[in-house]
Amino acid sequence: EVQLVETGGGLVQPGRSLKLSCVASGFTFNNYWMSWTRQAPGKGLEWVASITNSGGSTYYPDSVKGRFTISRDNAQNTLYLQMNSLRSEDTATYYCTRVGIRAHYFDYWGQGVMVTVSS
Amino acid sequence: DIQMTQSPASLSASLGETVTIECLASEDIYSNLAWYQQKPGKSPQLLIYYANSLNDGVPSRFSGSGSGTQYSLKINSLQSEDVSIYFCQQNYDSPWTFGGGTKLELK
Repeated sequence: EVQLVETGGGLVQPGRSLKLSCVASGFTFNNYWMSWTRQAPGKGLEWVASITNSGGSTYYPDSVKGRFTISRDNAQNTLYLQMNSLRSEDTATYYCTRVGIRAHYFDYWGQGVMVTVSS
Repeated sequence: DIQMTQSPASLSASLGETVTIECLASEDIYSNLAWYQQKPGKSPQLLIYYANSLNDGVPSRFSGSGSGTQYSLKINSLQSEDVSIYFCQQNYDSPWTFGGGTKLELK
């Protein structure tokens, strides 16, 4: 059974940093691209970052480029999201998501972790 | 960026009814479209990919269709467990973008 378990969320002040982790199990982690997707309270979904299966390439939307860094440790089956210079608009539930083997849809989602950016 | 516009934003239907949700892309996405279901308080789940391919374990009352810029999700014989928010997502080009969602409720 595929499982994605996120940790690291919490309350953080604007301008500060936070690092999320996602431990994956139930599949061969290094065969898949992975992503982070977020959802602001009561709002829709926004793709945040993706990383190739080897970790050699990363992708971001303009809204987080230069502030967020996605990385992975294939030996530990763990995905990370380093978030710097956080803003109030980054407040959201962050989901660890597995990217489909054939195309960039998201075929498995974690339970999500809440990040609140507020003073 | 490719904009995804879903309609309607909300929908009320009766048990056993057939429901259709639409998704319009701002440019041709060549059937690179996925649909997700998010039940209250839960994470989204993949329903359909490549516009019309049903994900494993998804009931056959769900179906997807469309091409070019216009796509739709159809739910036949609505069940109580289908009360959810439904999102479309294009996976043709980065940044991968979602529609605003359609909230489906029971009448």
